[in-house]
Amino acid sequence: EAGVVQSPRYKIIEKKQPVAFWCNPISGHNTLYWYLQNLGQGPELLIRYENEEAVDDSQLPKDRFSAERLKGVDSTLKIQPAELGDSAVYLCASSSDRDEQYFGPGTRLTVT
Amino acid sequence: GIQVEQSPPDLILQEGANSTLRCNFSDSVNNLQWFHQNPWGQLINLFYIPSGTKQNGRLSATTVATERYSLLYISSSQTTDSGVYFCAASLLTSGSRLTFGEGTQLTVNP
Repeated sequence: EAGVVQSPRYKIIEKKQPVAFWCNPISGHNTLYWYLQNLGQGPELLIRYENEEAVDDSQLPKDRFSAERLKGVDSTLKIQPAELGDSAVYLCASSSDRDEQYFGPGTRLTVT
Repeated sequence: GIQVEQSPPDLILQEGANSTLRCNFSDSVNNLQWFHQNPWGQLINLFYIPSGTKQNGRLSATTVATERYSLLYISSSQTTDSGVYFCAASLLTSGSRLTFGEGTQLTVNP
């Protein structure tokens, strides 16, 4: 069974540029999560989807971050414009309902 | 929200030694997971253990939900066990938002 797929794995952009990350969850998992991991810390939730609906986005900085999960499968997380402080690893995870979460390999973003 | 504390923050072992990692959480949980983050950053699922005891090879875990702690045991450690071990928990009232601890950095020397 394929795991959570994320792309790109690495991204380097200049500040003020836009960037997008893509996630394909494990087949059959209806719940999808985006987490942010800063260096030396544990991941923190940005947004959680149950099917197509964003049910927990209280930690998402909505002035510059946006996300979508069309058709309840793949998801895209966007930052526009990026700031230096956005440099981090962006992790996608999925689960069946509220059960065990499985994480993708992450996208390492560097903003210069 | 829930608070998750892990100890020790750093641990250095010789190959073959045993170790115990601890995770304390501040409230009743409906989900508790242990992860190993390898040097490439991948979070690998070790245990899904909101309560009880589980074993998988050289690893085992115990969660005592009533006392709000979980333990991860590593026996006969190997150099490939090196990395960061995270405990993460979620509350029934917070949906399935996982709150992670700060992690334990484990180094196993040959």
